[in-house]
Amino acid sequence: DTGVSQDPRHKITKRGQNVTFRCDPISEHNRLYWYRQTLGQGPEFLTYFQNEAQLEKSRLLSDRFSAERPKGSFSTLEIQRTEQGDSAMYLCASSLKSLNTEAFFGQGTRLTVV
Amino acid sequence: AQTVTQSQPEMSVQEAETVTLSCTYDTSENNYYLFWYKQPPSRQMILVIRQEAYKQQNATENRFSVNFQKAAKSFSLKISDSQLGDTAMYFCACYPYNTDKLIFGTGTRLQVFP
Repeated sequence: DTGVSQDPRHKITKRGQNVTFRCDPISEHNRLYWYRQTLGQGPEFLTYFQNEAQLEKSRLLSDRFSAERPKGSFSTLEIQRTEQGDSAMYLCASSLKSLNTEAFFGQGTRLTVV
Repeated sequence: AQTVTQSQPEMSVQEAETVTLSCTYDTSENNYYLFWYKQPPSRQMILVIRQEAYKQQNATENRFSVNFQKAAKSFSLKISDSQLGDTAMYFCACYPYNTDKLIFGTGTRLQVFP
């Protein structure tokens, strides 16, 4: 296990299209987080899972966004009807139970909506 | 609201010199962790150093140390003997126990010059 992996690394899509990103956490980690990072800003929390349960969603996560973590393993983040404002880096992180243990981040998926 | 503020958008330092990055935070929680993360260009975020708020002793990890002033809600990072590989974005983050998520600052871009 080499760490948290995200796919794709880059995605360019036309406005109005749907996109889906995947995150594979470190295998024994039960917590999985999604963050969004725009240029010049720090990562902003979107949502997190403990095992397969989605425990919290940020108000940033409009109804066009949905995340799943079936079977408590990998997670997907889908954005429907993309808008230019969705352009950002989407980061995934995983940890054991809580972040007082180290959170490991993936390299992110950079989304560009044209 | 819980916030993290990094007032230095950019810093530069010469190789082998020492640099200090500033961070202040605001939380109503008594129990929290503080972190510094490093994000090299086009690479994933990695943990640099962690401080538990109930510990008075400042954390140290090799060339990295913090100055934790709980009353002032200040958490600065000192990098000694700077190396070219230290060039990166540095994010300060707070993890209040009741939120179950990291709250990030806007980051400081550090450039180490030969």
